[in-house]
Amino acid sequence: AQSVTQPDIHITVSEGASLELRCNYSYGATPYLFWYVQSPGQGLQLLLKYFSGDTLVQGIKGFEAEFKRSQSSFNLRKPSVHWSDAAEYFCAVGTKAAGNKLTFGGGTRVLVKP
Amino acid sequence: NAGVTQTPKFQVLKTGQSMTLQCAQDMNHNSMYWYRQDPGMGLRLIYYSASEGTTDKGEVPNGYNVSRLNKREFSLRLESAAPSQTSVYFCASRISGASTYEQYFGPGTRLTVT
Repeated sequence: AQSVTQPDIHITVSEGASLELRCNYSYGATPYLFWYVQSPGQGLQLLLKYFSGDTLVQGIKGFEAEFKRSQSSFNLRKPSVHWSDAAEYFCAVGTKAAGNKLTFGGGTRVLVKP
Repeated sequence: NAGVTQTPKFQVLKTGQSMTLQCAQDMNHNSMYWYRQDPGMGLRLIYYSASEGTTDKGEVPNGYNVSRLNKREFSLRLESAAPSQTSVYFCASRISGASTYEQYFGPGTRLTVT
């Protein structure tokens, strides 16, 4: 069965430090990959996406993610976090075979310490 | 553009009561989705509509019904609410196309069933 795993449920990081959020997927086909962010009480906002081409993709708010096919991973990174980055982050995967549907990971909640 | 809107924002129901969650999008998107979000489980797809006039079950459809009223609107109905349906419900939409798999989310409806 297709699945998306975010191994870290919570991460605490100091303001100004770097952040990396992990995402692993299990799909037979070439995946389309997304990271979404959810601020408290809000809906989900798309941070970045990967369809094909360059495996390092840039997104909004200074985030980037790298697709590694050999590791079935799509990890999200930010070199220097800001207090406003405190939120929950979701990795999502779709495939052509899945058509209209995305599968989401369980989410990683990020807490930023001053 | 308002994007994806949802009403109501909050709702408390007693077990056995019914209600309809409303969703509308003004982006001329073909596909619309209903998800529920529970702690640690990410977003799980309840129902989706690939285009006006069609609906399909997602991962967790039991206890729910949907109506794709027109291209803009997609409603979710709970006929007899149960405490297990306490959750945050999100509506999403996307353009149907060859490479546009990203979905755009509404702000959510927080539902409590007592």
